[in-house]
Amino acid sequence: DAKTTQPNSMESNEEEPVHLPCNHSTISGTDYIHWYRQLPSQGPEYVIHGLTSNVNNRMASLAIAEDRKSSTLILHRATLRDAAVYYCSPDAGGTSYGKLTFGQGTILTVHP
Amino acid sequence: DAGVIQSPRHEVTEMGQEVTLRCKPISGHNSLFWYRQTMMRGLELLIYFNNNVPIDDSGMPEDRFSAKMPNASFSTLKIQPSEPRDSAVYFCASTLRTSGRADNEQFFGPGTRLTVL
Repeated sequence: DAKTTQPNSMESNEEEPVHLPCNHSTISGTDYIHWYRQLPSQGPEYVIHGLTSNVNNRMASLAIAEDRKSSTLILHRATLRDAAVYYCSPDAGGTSYGKLTFGQGTILTVHP
Repeated sequence: DAGVIQSPRHEVTEMGQEVTLRCKPISGHNSLFWYRQTMMRGLELLIYFNNNVPIDDSGMPEDRFSAKMPNASFSTLKIQPSEPRDSAVYFCASTLRTSGRADNEQFFGPGTRLTVL
């Protein structure tokens, strides 16, 4: 399984952009990169995923490095509700059946 | 859809007792995952099923843990006998897995908080 490295914690002010990095240098060519977040006392929830191209959805943007060894989750305007633990995880295709491997994640604190 | 349903939400038991956690995946999903979350070890994948068949149980900590999926709408995770170190939050997740694709969102349940005294 590909390993991921994320900063333990990050802080942001409300309404400011947040860039959450993830290193996945051992990722294989067919692994998608998934991001999930976990709000306090809840199960993880999907944020975004991508393979090679940058991706946007209503929650966030995902910027993937050209060599795919790293990616950055971008929250364009952080809100207090974005305070959570953010996980990046590769997900191999084929026989992995969507298996995700969660690291320690990044604790995001958003200040009013 | 009600989402992934887990029961019970909280379970307190004594060491040595049998514990059964239950999960109802989202209707139509064909893959189901059991995770365990602790402060020390984070979020760990225990086992996952595809079309009711266990695919990988390498994350199951030991023989005291067992999981079944008798049909597409129900799965159980059993611990017998339970020990204090099994105390954790157990999450169930489901997804619709299409052949060869690795881009399906997993939907997580609210979790079962297990305390073994």
